[in-house]
Formats: sequence, structure tokens, C-alpha cells
Amino acid sequence: DTEVTQTPKHLVMGMTNKKSLKCEQHMGHRAMYWYKQKAKKPPELMFVYSYEKLSINESVPSRFSPECPNSSLLNLHLHALQPEDSALYLCASSQAGQGLYSPLHFGNGTRLTVT
Amino acid sequence: EDQVTQSPEALRLQEGESSSLNCSYTVSGLRGLFWYRQDPGKGPEFLFTLYSAGEEKEKERLKATLTKKESFLHITAPKPEDSATYLCAVAGANNLFFGTGTRLTVIP
Repeated sequence: DTEVTQTPKHLVMGMTNKKSLKCEQHMGHRAMYWYKQKAKKPPELMFVYSYEKLSINESVPSRFSPECPNSSLLNLHLHALQPEDSALYLCASSQAGQGLYSPLHFGNGTRLTVT
Repeated sequence: EDQVTQSPEALRLQEGESSSLNCSYTVSGLRGLFWYRQDPGKGPEFLFTLYSAGEEKEKERLKATLTKKESFLHITAPKPEDSATYLCAVAGANNLFFGTGTRLTVIP
């Protein structure tokens, strides 16, 4: 079982909906990440939080809004998405260092479908 | 320019048939090379970290090695449960780069 828990596992939303993805880890990691993964492609970095502060935003459209309420929780708020945003959204955590020195621990993702 | 290339793209092996997956990289200031395993519909699962040329790590049927230009993931006597996509990720000075993965299928 993964130590990074993501909910929901599946989400179908219309282009006018607002929804949120949630991620929780209890490994004491101080860096948390959102990745997007399309079928048969590697994960693409979206956001990095280090010590609960946003440290990296990879030019992600504003329809994706991250939030880190505390060191264990990470949310991704979604609104006005496009069908091309359909993908597997992965949360990950690592010891501080933005994943450059220590491995990422991934959740099993939320499979998002935008209709 | 920093980049990571994995080969082959896909590999089919008979059960027990050993082979190797390759991860070639060009990065300034290597900070670490990571191997992950990903099953369909799941998140990547961490396997190994290698930090310097000459380093080797082993876990069950898997062995990872590192040179200054590439890393190999050797699979000895694979079993069907080893079927997955294996991802390599290379950490440079400021970024982590994922390869496109090798999709391994082990046939009973």
C-alpha cells in the first residue's frame, strides 16, 4: 500500500464544474508535488511545495490552483477545465530538497475525465 | 541541453529470460538517478537511487548500475509479476527529468 493517499480515485467533471483533488502523506516529508500524466507518457511536473510554500509553478494554467493547508495535506482545485486536461493526476512527496536528492513517493493518482 | 532517453521503448521476455533496460542521460551536475516501476493505473513506485558512477544497487531480481553516461536496470530470471513500465529519472542542478519509460512484458 502506498503511503501517499489520493482522493478521489476517479473523477468525471464537466467544463463548468469546480472540483478538488486531495492528497495526504504522513511520512514527515516537507516537499509535496503535483504531477500530470497522460497515457504512455512520463509524469510532468505541475507544482512543488516546499515547507508549505509554493516553490515551483511550471507555467500551469490558472484553471489549476494548488493549496497546501499544512505539511501533510495538498489540494488541487480545478475549475473551467478543458477536455485535454483529462489525465492521471499524481501527488508525490519527498524529504526536503525538491526531489533532487531524495526519491519521490507517489500516490496512486486521480483519474480525471473532463467532458 | 539536459535530456534522458530510455531504450527499448517496449520489451517482451519469456519468463526466466534475463535482460537489461537502458537509461542514457545528458545532464549538467548529476545529483542522482532514480528508477521507478509503474503498473497500469497506479503511481510510480520507487526502486533505486544511484548517486555516482560505479554505484550498484540490488533488490530481488533487479540490479541497477550507473556510469557517467548511462544506467542499466538488469532483470535476472524475470517473472510475469515483473511486467510493468520502468521509468528512469535524472536529477540535474535544478530539475528532475523523467524518461519515457520501458514497457516490460514477461510471458509465462
